[in-house]
Amino acid sequence: GIQVEQSPPDLILQEGANSTLRCNFSDSVNNLQWFHQNPWGQLINLFYIPSGTKQNGRLSATTVATERYSLLYISSSQTTDSGVYFCAGPGGSQGNLIFGKGTKLSVKP
Amino acid sequence: KAGVTQTPRYLIKTRGQQVTLSCSPISGHRSVSWYQQTPGQGLQFLFEYFSETQRNKGNFPGRFSGRQFSNSRSEMNVSTLELGDSALYLCASSRSSQPYEQYFGPGTRLTVT
Repeated sequence: GIQVEQSPPDLILQEGANSTLRCNFSDSVNNLQWFHQNPWGQLINLFYIPSGTKQNGRLSATTVATERYSLLYISSSQTTDSGVYFCAGPGGSQGNLIFGKGTKLSVKP
Repeated sequence: KAGVTQTPRYLIKTRGQQVTLSCSPISGHRSVSWYQQTPGQGLQFLFEYFSETQRNKGNFPGRFSGRQFSNSRSEMNVSTLELGDSALYLCASSRSSQPYEQYFGPGTRLTVT
């Protein structure tokens, strides 16, 4: 399976600020997902984005498969955006995801 | 459409005991995967089931096992519990055709004392 690296590991923002989270992977991917883990531990799907760009409200994501990275953009951050953001790529089969270590985001009011 | 459900949500067990966790996938999803999350190791893949067959397995000891039923519901079992098995156990389901996007349940938080 691939290796997935996320940066930065920690990020502190003031409410209203914008941020970019990065995910690098060691090999080409045909499956790349971004998740937000809420305080209760549930992983919330943000994007399924093996390539290209998608937007959903204040969040957008871009994956450049040829250069093996993906970016998650959060605009006009809110305190409810706080939590850990994970990206995950394929681990060798459909149902096997390899996760990065996550970016812990704290948005201050 | 209902999401992935897991039971129980919280569990406290003693070393040496065994535990069974349950996962019901999204209706129509035939692939069910299990993950363990700990502060030290992060999120790690345990195994995946598809049509009642284990399709892939992570690097965990044989004390960790699972199965899938004909209705796609899945159970995982951990025998002879160790303190290090304390973790959040997450189940995910996905379709049998592309896109293979995985959807996660709320998790079962297991504490071994």
